[in-house]
Amino acid sequence: AQSVSQHNHHVILSEAASLELGCNYSYGGTVNLFWYVQYPGQHLQLLLKYFSGDPLVKGIKGFEAEFIKSKFSFNLRKPSVQWSDTAEYFCAVSIYGNNRLAFGKGNQVVVIP
Amino acid sequence: DTAVSQTPKYLVTQMGNDKSIKCEQNLGHDTMYWYKQDSKKFLKIMFSYNNKELIINETVPNRFSPKSPDKAHLNLHINSLELGDSAVYFCAAADSGHTEAFFGQGTRLTVV
Repeated sequence: AQSVSQHNHHVILSEAASLELGCNYSYGGTVNLFWYVQYPGQHLQLLLKYFSGDPLVKGIKGFEAEFIKSKFSFNLRKPSVQWSDTAEYFCAVSIYGNNRLAFGKGNQVVVIP
Repeated sequence: DTAVSQTPKYLVTQMGNDKSIKCEQNLGHDTMYWYKQDSKKFLKIMFSYNNKELIINETVPNRFSPKSPDKAHLNLHINSLELGDSAVYFCAAADSGHTEAFFGQGTRLTVV
């Protein structure tokens, strides 16, 4: 079964610190990869996505993610976080040709001013 | 215009009642989903419809019945509500290539 793993569910860091959130998936076929963000009390919004091409993907708000096929990973990074980055971050995977969009359990990120 | 809209945004009801949540998308996408987000923020897929046909039905109690009258709508009807049904329910729409899923604002259901 398709699964998505996110580690370190709770992350607390200070403003200007660097952030890296790990995401691993367990499917060997062609996949589409996503990172979504959910700000407190809001719905999910797309941060960035990868389908093919350059494995380093740049998204909104200074976020980027790197697809490493050999490691089945799609880690999210931001070099310098702000207080407004406090949110829940979800990695998601869809298998090409399949209607299932599976989410990881999320990372709760708290940025302290 | 909101791409995916859900109503109501908040729903408070008593145990045993029957309630519905409506979802509409104006993106023209073929695939629609219902997800349940529990108090720990875990997002679990409940149903997936493609062009009005049920594609995925996870291990959801049969008290939950999705209905898709047309490609733009996927409503969720819940019978005999239980305390454990309290959660935020998100509707989403995606194209058949899954280039991106667009989410509704969510419906916070509280069963008392």
